[in-house]
Amino acid sequence: DIQMTQSPSTLSASVGDRVTITCRASQSISIWLAWYQQKPGKAPKLLIYKTSNLEGGVPSRFSGSGSGTEFTLTISSLQPDDFATYYCQQYDLSWTFGQGTKVETK
Amino acid sequence: QVQLVESGGGVVQPGKSLRLSCAASGFNFSDYTLNWVRQAPGKGLEWVAVISYDGDKKIYADSVKGRFTISRDNSKNTLSLQVDSLRGDDTAVYYCVRAPLTTVTPYYLDFWGQGTLLIVSS
Repeated sequence: DIQMTQSPSTLSASVGDRVTITCRASQSISIWLAWYQQKPGKAPKLLIYKTSNLEGGVPSRFSGSGSGTEFTLTISSLQPDDFATYYCQQYDLSWTFGQGTKVETK
Repeated sequence: QVQLVESGGGVVQPGKSLRLSCAASGFNFSDYTLNWVRQAPGKGLEWVAVISYDGDKKIYADSVKGRFTISRDNSKNTLSLQVDSLRGDDTAVYYCVRAPLTTVTPYYLDFWGQGTLLIVSS
């Protein structure tokens, strides 16, 4: 099974900060990675698919990069609506999620 | 707009069974693969099962194989998950999730329902 490890688990940041979340795969997954945002009590929402493709309606301050085993989600200027938990998901072999990164207010 | 509405959750004793349902609207249901993904309280996301657009192909996570059965009725735009031999670690919110393809090839998940909570407890 492919394991997905996110870092950090928790990130404290302020509005306007540039935020980067890392996701590492236990083996190469090429570019088959998605990112989701989840707010408390709500369903996850797709942000990015195939490493760097922005889902429709997602603000352009979100971006993704990487390949193989290391990937990043970047929020260029954190907005109040962005405080949430973020999950990566590989879909190269089966479906596996990272453990999540909570972005909280500093 | 796309809507996925889950129902059927509740409190169930260990060893018992339950059937979860998902009613879909706002898109051509029979054109999409559907999944169940679960989230234990305060924990991360775990993929559970997938079914192809026509219901012919199904894949399960090892943790539920032999106990859970995914099915769909394209005439009624509904997805179901029969959960049997329930255990405490099955306690979770169960999400009905669409994938933008027709096969059971692993893919990203583009639209999620709001979930239904299943609690397994004596």
